[in-house]
Amino acid sequence: RKEVEQDPGPFNVPEGATVAFNCTYSNSASQSFFWYRQDCRKEPKLLMSVYSSGNEDGRFTAQLNRASQYISLLIRDSKLSDSATYLCAVTLMEYGNKLVFGAGTILRVKS
Amino acid sequence: GAVVSQHPSRVICKSGTSVKIECRSLDFQATTMFWYRQFPKQSLMLMATSNEGSKATYEQGVEKDKFLINHASLTLSTLTVTSAHPEDSSFYICSARAGQGGSNYGYTFGSGTRLTVV
Repeated sequence: RKEVEQDPGPFNVPEGATVAFNCTYSNSASQSFFWYRQDCRKEPKLLMSVYSSGNEDGRFTAQLNRASQYISLLIRDSKLSDSATYLCAVTLMEYGNKLVFGAGTILRVKS
Repeated sequence: GAVVSQHPSRVICKSGTSVKIECRSLDFQATTMFWYRQFPKQSLMLMATSNEGSKATYEQGVEKDKFLINHASLTLSTLTVTSAHPEDSSFYICSARAGQGGSNYGYTFGSGTRLTVV
């Protein structure tokens, strides 16, 4: 079983739509949780950290459910510029607290 | 903010040669660095974790004799792809992390190196 799993998509949505991405992780000892954004042929950029209480940053809302080992990202009022691959990542309590990524979910926002 | 410089950004080499990729933390000391590889349309796969002054820890399935990692100082880690073959062609990205703890502080990524082996 993969350590972090995501629906690869692609999600094709019109501008203004609300879209939700899900992610599950297998290691219950995972410490920290994040959503990254990756544009084509570029390095990943941190979008937001994810906390148990849930957190919001503008149009983006992240949720964490430790009991179900589940992370989500909600994007409201999608913009064309939101088109990218969204990567879920967790840190594992092993040597060096390594950051492990999911396969990523492709989002395409169209006008 | 923390900056990680990765060089070269792009390299083309002949099959059988070795290629060295450098990852430098410019304004912080990186006690731990991570090396990832990403094939087209796939996610970032962690290859190894290196700690300054000690041997790197390789992920399952990654050949340590083929992908040599050296983390000789708190600001520099290098990945050498030895005897490169076309199947090693990929996007290699480093990530540097300062200090300890589980927060995201310090997980800074280099801009990546696109390796093409011909």
